Amino acid sequence: QKEVEQDPGPLSVPEGAIVSLNCTYSNSAFQYFMWYRQYSRKGPELLMYTYSSGNKEDGRFTAQVDKSSKYISLFIRDSQPSDSATYLCAMGGNTGFQKLVFGTGTRLLVSP
Amino acid sequence: SAVISQKPSRDICQRGTSLTIQCQVDSQVTMMFWYRQQPGQSLTLIATANQGSEATYESGFVIDKFPISRPNLTFSTLTVSNMSPEDSSIYLCSVEGFPGESNEKLFFGSGTQLSVL
Repeated sequence: QKEVEQDPGPLSVPEGAIVSLNCTYSNSAFQYFMWYRQYSRKGPELLMYTYSSGNKEDGRFTAQVDKSSKYISLFIRDSQPSDSATYLCAMGGNTGFQKLVFGTGTRLLVSP
Repeated sequence: SAVISQKPSRDICQRGTSLTIQCQVDSQVTMMFWYRQQPGQSLTLIATANQGSEATYESGFVIDKFPISRPNLTFSTLTVSNMSPEDSSIYLCSVEGFPGESNEKLFFGSGTQLSVL
């Protein structure tokens, strides 16, 4: 079993839809939770960063962490074609956040 | 904001040859990291490069295959040696934080797409 599981997609939605992206994990030591967006032929770009449990909102993006269920989510409201990308979850623990464990990424396609 | 530049952005190489990837940061950073992103796989940390000391390699990665240099606080190179088709991947340079940013973040360069024939 992988430490972090993420559905690879692709997930296809129409413009304006609410998108839910999710990851599950098995290591209860994880405390840092991040979402990266990666456009084709580009490096990952940090979108959201959450420490421990709870919600965090930034514009159209909301990150949720449920440590009791070992489940994290990224919600995108009013999705736009420019949101079409691969979304990677990443998490880290006491060994230092730089040794992050990444999900395989979910490819999102938002059609006009 | 600070910029991480990687080159080459892509290359096609022959089996048995070596390729050196360069990573330049426009701010001084303590820690630089090299990741590999294979098709359909998650990003995997290859090694941590600290200035003035040997790189620290993760399990499954060895210095003979992936020698790393870190001559100063803004530059690092990763060499992929004696390449085989299994080395075809995206290689990414990353840094921990930037001046003015929380260090609890990891930033990435745009990556090097390597194809080995």
